Amino acid sequence: RKEVEQDPGPFNVPEGATVAFNCTYSNSASQSFFWYRQDCRKEPKLLMSVYSSGNEDGRFTAQLNRASQYISLLIRDSKLSDSATYLCVVNIKGGSYIPTFGRGTSLIVHP
Amino acid sequence: GAGVSQSPSNKVTEKGKDVELRCDPISGHTALYWYRQSLGQGLEFLIYFQGNSAPDKSGLPSDRFSAERTGGSVSTLTIQRTQQEDSAVYLCASSGRLAGGRDTQYFGPGTRLTVL
Repeated sequence: RKEVEQDPGPFNVPEGATVAFNCTYSNSASQSFFWYRQDCRKEPKLLMSVYSSGNEDGRFTAQLNRASQYISLLIRDSKLSDSATYLCVVNIKGGSYIPTFGRGTSLIVHP
Repeated sequence: GAGVSQSPSNKVTEKGKDVELRCDPISGHTALYWYRQSLGQGLEFLIYFQGNSAPDKSGLPSDRFSAERTGGSVSTLTIQRTQQEDSAVYLCASSGRLAGGRDTQYFGPGTRLTVL
């Protein structure tokens, strides 16, 4: 089982739609969580951190469920510019502090 | 301020040659990571430097791969005797240690390596 798993998609949605992605992780010692965005042929960039109580940044809402070991990202009122790959990142507290990336979920927002 | 920079942006080499990829992290960041990403794939961890500690090399795919970080700043990833399967984008990221371990990684633009 991979340490961090995501549905690769693509999720194909119309502008204005609400879309949600999940990401599951296998290591219960995971300490911190992030969503990154990666545009085609570009480097990943931080979208938002994920806090235990859930957090919101504009149209984006992130949630953490430690009991079930998953995090989610909700995008409301999708824009064409939201089209990208969304990477789930999990940091595990241990001897080496290595962020583990999921393979990403592709989102395509169409007119 | 300056972000993470990498050079060269593109590198085309012949099979069997050695290549060196460079990463300049954000000034003051203690942690530096190398990843590679093949077309349509996720990020594959290669190596991690944290301050003056011994690097975590657990992700290096073979002994042809090595990396150094001089003076706690610039890092060089070296691939010896390149193979076609080494073709990928090599990404460097740096982060600073925040309270509670909530590091945020900042990525460079990557080096696109093509081995012919």
